[in-house]
Amino acid sequence: GAGVSQTPSNKVTEKGKYVELRCDPISGHTALYWYRQSLGQGPEFLIYFQGTGAADDSGLPNDRFFAVRPEGSVSTLKIQRTERGDSAVYLCASSTGVGYGYTFGSGTRLTVV
Amino acid sequence: DQQVKQNSPSLSVQEGRISILNCDYTNSMFDYFLWYKKYPAEGPTFLISISSIKDKNEDGRFTVFLNKSAKHLSLHIVPSQPGDSAVYFCAASAVTSSGSARQLTFGSGTQLTVLP
Repeated sequence: GAGVSQTPSNKVTEKGKYVELRCDPISGHTALYWYRQSLGQGPEFLIYFQGTGAADDSGLPNDRFFAVRPEGSVSTLKIQRTERGDSAVYLCASSTGVGYGYTFGSGTRLTVV
Repeated sequence: DQQVKQNSPSLSVQEGRISILNCDYTNSMFDYFLWYKKYPAEGPTFLISISSIKDKNEDGRFTVFLNKSAKHLSLHIVPSQPGDSAVYFCAASAVTSSGSARQLTFGSGTQLTVLP
């Protein structure tokens, strides 16, 4: 596609449930990033993939969060045992390199009730 | 500990005037800086960037200035237009020696409102 696609756009889940958020990057972009944006804050880094491997996962808040990119294209962010504090907009971005700026998707708004 | 700070949560300017958005950073390892614009319900959109080896970069109505000694950068929009109304995020990155893509550290954003 022409842009970064994220699905679903909105997700409401009950506390303790498992969720998966999907990101389809721009074709040919080898770098893929997940960020989380809470209300009134800027995006916070979660994890970065270069190809299939997680090159930097230092932003994942705890072991309930996990992300994969098995074929070097689509990525899935997985959150286990969701908590109300996980409620945020989860943004995915892709890039060919840092000098070009990321292209962000529209995000998935996750609400844990 | 915020490494990138945008101290003004909001700014209002009259159409046609200059908008100046400010950003401060604390990490001296940052060597690449970007500005993003965000409309409601959309992802941030890349606007303009600057490398630390420069002090100014201009693209149409948008100019970014970098003062490394003060660890300060600013985005100037002139003339401002109502369509510029959005949240503007400053972001910074440290590039590895291999030039591989790295994470960005964002400020908390400034809501710009351009009044017609």
